[in-house]
Amino acid sequence: SQQGEEDPQALSIQEGENATMNCSYKTSINNLQWYRQNSGRGLVHLILIRSNEREKHSGRLRVTLDTSKKSSSLLITASRAADTASYFCATYSSNTGKLIFGQGTTLQVKP
Amino acid sequence: ETGVTQTPRHLVMGMTNKKSLKCEQHLGHNAMYWYKQSAKKPLELMFVYNFKEQTENNSVPSRFSPECPNSSHLFLHLHTLQPEDSALYLCASSQEGLAGVYEQYFGPGTRLTVT
Repeated sequence: SQQGEEDPQALSIQEGENATMNCSYKTSINNLQWYRQNSGRGLVHLILIRSNEREKHSGRLRVTLDTSKKSSSLLITASRAADTASYFCATYSSNTGKLIFGQGTTLQVKP
Repeated sequence: ETGVTQTPRHLVMGMTNKKSLKCEQHLGHNAMYWYKQSAKKPLELMFVYNFKEQTENNSVPSRFSPECPNSSHLFLHLHTLQPEDSALYLCASSQEGLAGVYEQYFGPGTRLTVT
């Protein structure tokens, strides 16, 4: 079964608004990562949060991790049209030794 | 630029052809990966190489054959593919250590169409 599942599958907002994407997973993890993919391109790593961390910031990005609920959220503040992309969470567990990707959230930011 | 390059960027091949995808990483990483990305599906891990040794083969059909001659280069040899193999094939690299997997760096992908 899939480890990471993003919600919503698609999100459309106006430039300047905040965008929040959620990721849920099923088994224990060592870290959770968020990636961005522009249409038809490779994925770009955004941020990694370890299982003993609760919140992390990087520029306009804020990631939270709640291991008790097995969930994470990615917040993009003051969105820009250039943020239009698909966003994926990926979970790593030393039990499996694998990085498992979810299906992603497609974000559209309208100018 | 992520430091991972892939060639070709686009490939159209017939079901009887043989072709190869190439990936090169300039980051000094010790692990390299092949992923398949199809529409409406999660990213599928195909192969993992760690220090040039294959450590993962996720039940991939034998018509896909990986090769890792050194820690900087990775190939995916293709032969007698099926139309359902049409997808974006992504290569990635990372530095793996005792603490496990850290961030992966992806190439731009090869868009493969099998006719």
